[in-house]
Amino acid sequence: DQQVKQNSPSLSVQEGRISILNCDYTNSMFDYFLWYKKYPAEGPTFLISISSIKDKNEDGRFTVFLNKSAKHLSLHIVPSQPGDSAVYFCAASASEGGSQGNLIFGKGTKLSVKP
Amino acid sequence: KAGVTQTPRYLIKTRGQQVTLSCSPISGHRSVSWYQQTPGQGLQFLFEYFSETQRNKGNFPGRFSGRQFSNSRSEMNVSTLELGDSALYLCASSFGGVVKNIQYFGAGTRLSVL
Repeated sequence: DQQVKQNSPSLSVQEGRISILNCDYTNSMFDYFLWYKKYPAEGPTFLISISSIKDKNEDGRFTVFLNKSAKHLSLHIVPSQPGDSAVYFCAASASEGGSQGNLIFGKGTKLSVKP
Repeated sequence: KAGVTQTPRYLIKTRGQQVTLSCSPISGHRSVSWYQQTPGQGLQFLFEYFSETQRNKGNFPGRFSGRQFSNSRSEMNVSTLELGDSALYLCASSFGGVVKNIQYFGAGTRLSVL
């Protein structure tokens, strides 16, 4: 049973526009959420995170929004650049319960930013 | 500051053999986690070591094992390799807190089982 779901396997966006990547989770014990970016033949690179006590976190062009009641988070990239083209993974962890200390990942969304 | 280093980057083995993968964490990090990435299953958690002790374990058979040394370096071993073990194996390190668990990943070891 997938606890973290990224329902869009791919997304194509024009350069300069906004990219919105979505993620849903089922485990209410999750209290910390992260986004990673991955290029082929490389390991995932940490992008941005958010604690469950917040509903928004910004870092430059990247903003993550968390809706706890809907168990949904999203990553906004504004403006999108061709270098952002990669696979984006949503991940979650819990400080209590069976998932503490490890990350549960979604299956990723491949973002293509076209010039 | 050096990142997470995994060796070797590529490995080719045959069924029935065993393999050992190595991971050197970021200096100061005491937690090392291992993940398996396959096209079908995505990134799946194998286990986590903290201060030389396995702190958490995913849902993998006992053929998958690991250990951590006093300098926080970690090794992962897979015995009696099966074709389905072909995957990218990723190691991640962190300070080890269960709260705000930011893990930093190495480039991975690509294992091919023939």
